[in-house]
Amino acid sequence: QQQVKQSPQSLIVQKGGISIINCAYENTAFDYFPWYQQFPGKGPALLIAIRPDVSEKKEGRFTISFNKSAKQFSLHIMDSQPGDSATYFCAADRGSTLGRLYFGRGTQLTVWP
Amino acid sequence: EAGVAQSPRYKIIEKRQSVAFWCNPISGHATLYWYQQILGQGPKLLIQFQNNGVVDDSQLPKDRFSAERLKGVDSTLKIQPAKLEDSAVYLCASSFGPSRTGGNSPLHFGNGTRLTVT
Repeated sequence: QQQVKQSPQSLIVQKGGISIINCAYENTAFDYFPWYQQFPGKGPALLIAIRPDVSEKKEGRFTISFNKSAKQFSLHIMDSQPGDSATYFCAADRGSTLGRLYFGRGTQLTVWP
Repeated sequence: EAGVAQSPRYKIIEKRQSVAFWCNPISGHATLYWYQQILGQGPKLLIQFQNNGVVDDSQLPKDRFSAERLKGVDSTLKIQPAKLEDSAVYLCASSFGPSRTGGNSPLHFGNGTRLTVT
């Protein structure tokens, strides 16, 4: 059973455009929602994370929007660049489980010039 | 700081053979994780250590997989005997562990070992 559902599976965006990736979860015990970026041949790297006490968090061109009532969260990449081309994973964690992350299936983002 | 080190980077074995992966976490990180990432999917936790004790191994196929973290630093993950469906990237990650403000500190991943079972 997939604990975190992610969409779309792949995304193609023009340089300068906005990339939007969505995730949904069912377990209301989740209280930490990170996004990871993974380049080919590399391990995932933490990009940005949010806790459910806030509805939005922004770091540079990356923003997480969080809707607790809908149990959904999304990643927005503003002014997308070719260097952003990678696979993005959303994840969820219960603080009590000390870091057991449940990952979505990933979104392969391609930003073309 | 040096990142999480893993070796080997690639391994090709035949089914029913055995294989071992090695991980050296970031210095000072008490918590170590092994994740399995099958092609086209997100990573799935296999086992989690806190220092040299197992915190969670509920998703580890214990009939063929084993892991240890002697002395609370390096860790090895072993598969014996391997099956075709074990073909995946095996990722090691580490973190400081529970933070004082609640929750867990961020996970840092290594670049993984790509295992192909033929």
